[in-house]
Amino acid sequence: KAGVTQTPRYLIKTRGQQVTLSCSPISGHRSVSWYQQTPGQGLQFLFEYFSETQRNKGNFPGRFSGRQFSNSRSEMNVSTLELGDSALYLCASSPGVWETQYFGPGTRLLVL
Amino acid sequence: AQTVTQSQPEMSVQEAETVTLSCTYDTSESDYYLFWYKQPPSRQMILVIRQEAYKQQNATENRFSVNFQKAAKSFSLKISDSQLGDAAMYFCAYSIGDDKIIFGKGTRLHILP
Repeated sequence: KAGVTQTPRYLIKTRGQQVTLSCSPISGHRSVSWYQQTPGQGLQFLFEYFSETQRNKGNFPGRFSGRQFSNSRSEMNVSTLELGDSALYLCASSPGVWETQYFGPGTRLLVL
Repeated sequence: AQTVTQSQPEMSVQEAETVTLSCTYDTSESDYYLFWYKQPPSRQMILVIRQEAYKQQNATENRFSVNFQKAAKSFSLKISDSQLGDAAMYFCAYSIGDDKIIFGKGTRLHILP
């Protein structure tokens, strides 16, 4: 089986812009979670989707949003980008909500 | 390619006992970081312990300690005096900087009362 894929792998944006990141889970996986990795804060949970519904949300402002499609692919959107949004964004998928996650390679976002 | 292997998908330990979770990794880098993360059902990722590869001294954090064997590329986590709250999924992870972090498949730890 192919692993979790994330696109794009690298992205450069400027402050105030918006960005959309994409995640394709492992085939058959219905749960997708998103994480933000920064040197200062470490790994922080953004949200989890299961069957197109957000079932869990971390402590991030409303500028961060996501959605999941019927084929389980997920997108994450960040509006009005700030310099502090520069980070590695990881996506992870699992068959179900209580099952182990498999992480993708991440999308590196740089906000200038 | 860098890989992280956790060979124990599931483990159980009696409350107050000690348990060791194993992790091996493969890399050609000489400078890198290793992590153990705890993940409860909420999906939050809680950093348990962090080790810089250039430091020979094993990291410790209260009841959590690691046995870092750089030559063997081994990074095991020891939990002493296990508590019910330690029950979670534990991920071993490897990073060479900000752009990349690689996770193992995790070990689900059960604490038996």
